[in-house]
Amino acid sequence: SQTIHQWPATLVQPVGSPLSLECTVEGTSNPNLYWYRQAAGRGLQLLFYSVGIGQISSEVPQNLSASRPQDRQFILSSKKLLLSDSGFYLCAWSLGGADSGELFFGEGSRLTVL
Amino acid sequence: EDKVVQSPLSLVVHEGDTVTLNCSYEVTNFRSLLWYKQEKKAPTFLFMLTSSGIEKKSGRLSSILDKKELFSILNITATQTGDSAVYLCAVMNRDDKIIFGKGTRLHILP
Repeated sequence: SQTIHQWPATLVQPVGSPLSLECTVEGTSNPNLYWYRQAAGRGLQLLFYSVGIGQISSEVPQNLSASRPQDRQFILSSKKLLLSDSGFYLCAWSLGGADSGELFFGEGSRLTVL
Repeated sequence: EDKVVQSPLSLVVHEGDTVTLNCSYEVTNFRSLLWYKQEKKAPTFLFMLTSSGIEKKSGRLSSILDKKELFSILNITATQTGDSAVYLCAVMNRDDKIIFGKGTRLHILP
């Protein structure tokens, strides 16, 4: 069966510090991968998505970046965090191509920037 | 620009009532529409809709899609306190991009 792991679960970082959130998927190959941010318990804002290794589509570039160094690994990074980066970050995967659709989410990472 | 608009943003009803949640969308190269329920952390999947007029049903929840008018509704009958959650609507395009609406926060009073 497929599983998705996301870490760390919570972190508190000072403004200007770097960030790295990691997500890995097991039990499937060539998944579509997504990073979302959720503020104040409302809708999910799409940050990045990837349909294959080295293929990253950016929706909200700002000071965040994403990388997919391996087929089932997706990393969200920042060189210098802003206060506005605080939020709940969710990684998700789905099947690609004609079978794509349902998203499977990780447990999320809650980031507080002070 | 692709967008998903949900209404109402919040809703308070009494246990036993029936609720209808709305989702309208504008997206280039539409592929599917998805509904999720979020209680604490990660959203949980409810339905995926790809064809107009075909109702999807799971227990007291049902949903239908209108691709001509570009909207979907999620119905919950005989609501229970456990239905209290944020309900999220999302659309996927043919590039596999998936965007969400702001959600409807539903609170069921006992």
